[in-house]
Amino acid sequence: QTVVTQEPSFSVSPGGTVTLTCGLTSGAVSTSHYPSWFQQTPGQAPRSLIYSTNTRSSGVPDRFSGSILGNKAALAIAGAQADDDSNYYCLLYLGNGIWAFGGGTKVTVL
Amino acid sequence: EVQLVESGGGLVQPGGSLRLSCGASGFTFSNYEMNWVRQAPGKGLEWVSYIGSRGDLKHYADSVKGRFIMSRDNAKASLYLQMNSLRAEDTAVYFCARESNYYDGGSFKRNFDYWGQGTLVTVSS
Repeated sequence: QTVVTQEPSFSVSPGGTVTLTCGLTSGAVSTSHYPSWFQQTPGQAPRSLIYSTNTRSSGVPDRFSGSILGNKAALAIAGAQADDDSNYYCLLYLGNGIWAFGGGTKVTVL
Repeated sequence: EVQLVESGGGLVQPGGSLRLSCGASGFTFSNYEMNWVRQAPGKGLEWVSYIGSRGDLKHYADSVKGRFIMSRDNAKASLYLQMNSLRAEDTAVYFCARESNYYDGGSFKRNFDYWGQGTLVTVSS
């Protein structure tokens, strides 16, 4: 069974840049997996940041960018701000109508 | 303004059933595919199920296949999740999410763009 992998946690200094990745236990991530990224704070619904690899959702600042890096999808957060302190989830389309989330990355801005 | 409002959550005993609803407003519901996503307490997001815009195509995660049934009523702009044979591990907040799909310069785009606030299901004796 294919599992979507993410780093459990990252720390970044205010103003710094952090790059999160999203991989598969079997095979490489490609644009055909329609990689999406979501931001979620405790008690809130997820918020769409990036979809289909690199398209920003409405209202998302250009500090957030998506790409394919090697065999993984990536989310870069530039100029980190205090309110970027959140959990980030990637979502991949595995085919045959099936989607799967990664386990999430906790980003701490300090 | 797009709104998705879930309801129907609550406490249910193992082996029991529950029906969740998601009411949609602010967009033409019948034009959109929809999904259910859940989140166990303190855990990550888990995709649960998908339904096509006309309700004729459905997909389920292995963890719920054969126990959960997703449906929709486009006339009522409502989405449903019938959950049967519930287990303790089904305890979670259940979110409905709209899926926006479109072509952009030849590239197909897919986005879970709007989410409800969720409804809590607790399976416990």
